Amino acid sequence: QSALTQPASVSGSPGQSITISCTGTSSDVGGYNYVSWYQQHPGKAPKVMIYDVSKRPSGVSDRFSGSKSGNTASLTISGLQAEDEADYYCSSYTTSFTYVFGTGTKVTVL
Amino acid sequence: DVQLVESGGGLVQPGGSLRLSCAASGFTFSTYWMHWVRQAPGKGLVWVSRTNSDGSSTSYADSVRGRFTISRDNTKNTLYLQMNSLRVEDTAVYYCARSHPRFDYWGQGTLVTVSS
Repeated sequence: QSALTQPASVSGSPGQSITISCTGTSSDVGGYNYVSWYQQHPGKAPKVMIYDVSKRPSGVSDRFSGSKSGNTASLTISGLQAEDEADYYCSSYTTSFTYVFGTGTKVTVL
Repeated sequence: DVQLVESGGGLVQPGGSLRLSCAASGFTFSTYWMHWVRQAPGKGLVWVSRTNSDGSSTSYADSVRGRFTISRDNTKNTLYLQMNSLRVEDTAVYYCARSHPRFDYWGQGTLVTVSS
């Protein structure tokens, strides 16, 4: 049950696009289309931004998009805004009805 | 509105026990899988445990298996986490979350501090 690997930090200027990667194995990210992404602001509970690899919950901006290739999933934030500055975590369903989160990525808006 | 409210956190000595509760409202609790996720101070999210909708099937992270027990009472719309043999490294905010299968609703968390 090793954590999925994410970059520790990603930054971008307002209006730019950034992409966060999430690398796992064939037992988690690569084996199931149950990858989701969560945004967490300091002191707050996480909020789902993307689920089932690329689906967006109602109310989430279409500036957020997800994809997957092999054992790596990605979250792209386009048109970066100040309010996007937060920590982001990927998560995947794994074998044996368990789940695993990524190591987390701090997004900074320059 | 869906609400998840955790309680039961606090300060406990290493080797001690604590039971967390998560009161659910605003949805049909008995039809959803439920989970516990924790976050140590300044660290990332870590999945801890899950139970299926009727409590007949459970899973645990390796780090807590054998020490923690997840359960639910669908008549009281409440999820529980019994934590025994607590270690300093179990110190964290513990969140309950509903899955669908994504974690679509989360509680506000309850802080567990394991320290002598």
